[in-house]
Amino acid sequence: EPEVTQTPSHQVTQMGQEVILRCVPISNHLYFYWYRQILGQKVEFLVSFYNNEISEKSEIFDDQFSVERPDGSNFTLKIRSTKLEDSAMYFCASKDRTQETQYFGPGTRLLVL
Amino acid sequence: QKEVEQNSGPLSVPEGAIASLNCTYSDRGSQSFFWYRQYSGKSPELIMFIYSNGDKEDGRFTAQLNKASQYVSLLIRDSQPSDSATYLCAVKRTLWVFGKGTRLSVIA
Repeated sequence: EPEVTQTPSHQVTQMGQEVILRCVPISNHLYFYWYRQILGQKVEFLVSFYNNEISEKSEIFDDQFSVERPDGSNFTLKIRSTKLEDSAMYFCASKDRTQETQYFGPGTRLLVL
Repeated sequence: QKEVEQNSGPLSVPEGAIASLNCTYSDRGSQSFFWYRQYSGKSPELIMFIYSNGDKEDGRFTAQLNKASQYVSLLIRDSQPSDSATYLCAVKRTLWVFGKGTRLSVIA
């Protein structure tokens, strides 16, 4: 069964460094999402992406964040200058045109020191 | 501030019983309502979504929506130990807003 994959599974970085989190959505999906979940907290929507542009973004998704679909398969989230409070699990999700179901990847656990 | 509230639990039910999970939301303009299951250390998995007032059934799961009361619930019939997880309520108007989740424990 097709699934969303994410790399790396864990990332440790120093405060102020740039990180890029990578996702490979399910191949025929057109809608892509990033969420984050701070340990023990709720899932928070960051951004949705369709037709090579951002559809919606939350107030968390400020100028430090960007998304890109650099080729036909990858979908990336970049954090330009990481802060301690960016430490969280970051989930990528994708869905096709016809269904409401978003399929989540396994997540990347980001730790900012 | 748009909020989605859930009782954090844990909600403990015996195997075979009905588990009832509740969620309230603050944004009266919300249009879509979702229930996700999240096992510890795993990613969320969609169980059901509902748009209209009333009940929607899918196997052992029933979602209930009351927009006037800004309330959505999930019933799990014939609960199994494998249903033990955290259940997340999510609400969408233009953006998705999640509750913190209710931890369900099904006791064999």
